[in-house]
Amino acid sequence: GIQVEQSPPDLILQEGANSTLRCNFSDSVNNLQWFHQNPWGQLINLFYIPSGTKQNGRLSATTVATERYSLLYISSSQTTDSGVYFCAVNDYKLSFGAGTTVTVRA
Amino acid sequence: ETGVTQTPRHLVMGMTNKKSLKCEQHLGHNAMYWYKQSAKKPLELMFVYSLEERVENNSVPSRFSPECPNSSHLFLHLHTLQPEDSALYLCASSQESHPSAYEQYFGPGTRLTVT
Repeated sequence: GIQVEQSPPDLILQEGANSTLRCNFSDSVNNLQWFHQNPWGQLINLFYIPSGTKQNGRLSATTVATERYSLLYISSSQTTDSGVYFCAVNDYKLSFGAGTTVTVRA
Repeated sequence: ETGVTQTPRHLVMGMTNKKSLKCEQHLGHNAMYWYKQSAKKPLELMFVYSLEERVENNSVPSRFSPECPNSSHLFLHLHTLQPEDSALYLCASSQESHPSAYEQYFGPGTRLTVT
């Protein structure tokens, strides 16, 4: 199956800082999703992004499908951004990366 | 209710018990999924249903038995589980399952502890 690698595994930020999370995948995919998992386990949809760039508030994402990677940008981070960020690629079923654990300190 | 709901949110069961997890989606989707999230491991797909038919069984042990009576409801029946089955079980739905790749929406999960 498709391999999905996320980096870095852990990220500690000071409130207000910017950061970039990366997702590499091993084969062509039909689609890609970014999720934020909150401390209670809920997976919240951030982006559905097969290619190109999307923005939603302080978050934006870029997928370069031909080079098999996607980036998630967090700007002006807040403590509520803490949690685990997952990338999942879809070649008819979702395959998840191991996630990036983000901790934002006040 | 909106989105995808799951009950119960927490469940503690003994190895000889039988219990069921319930998932309901209010999005008008045709496909539903069960995922398992164990500590320190990526989410694993367990089952996929499309229009109430099982289209994927990802080598899941028979002690997990899914049921999809209609496109809005999905159950996971549990019996004679092992302690290593303790995990967060997540349900998801999407407009369709295959061959196109539709956006999936997840429920809040059931945190299962097997004692």
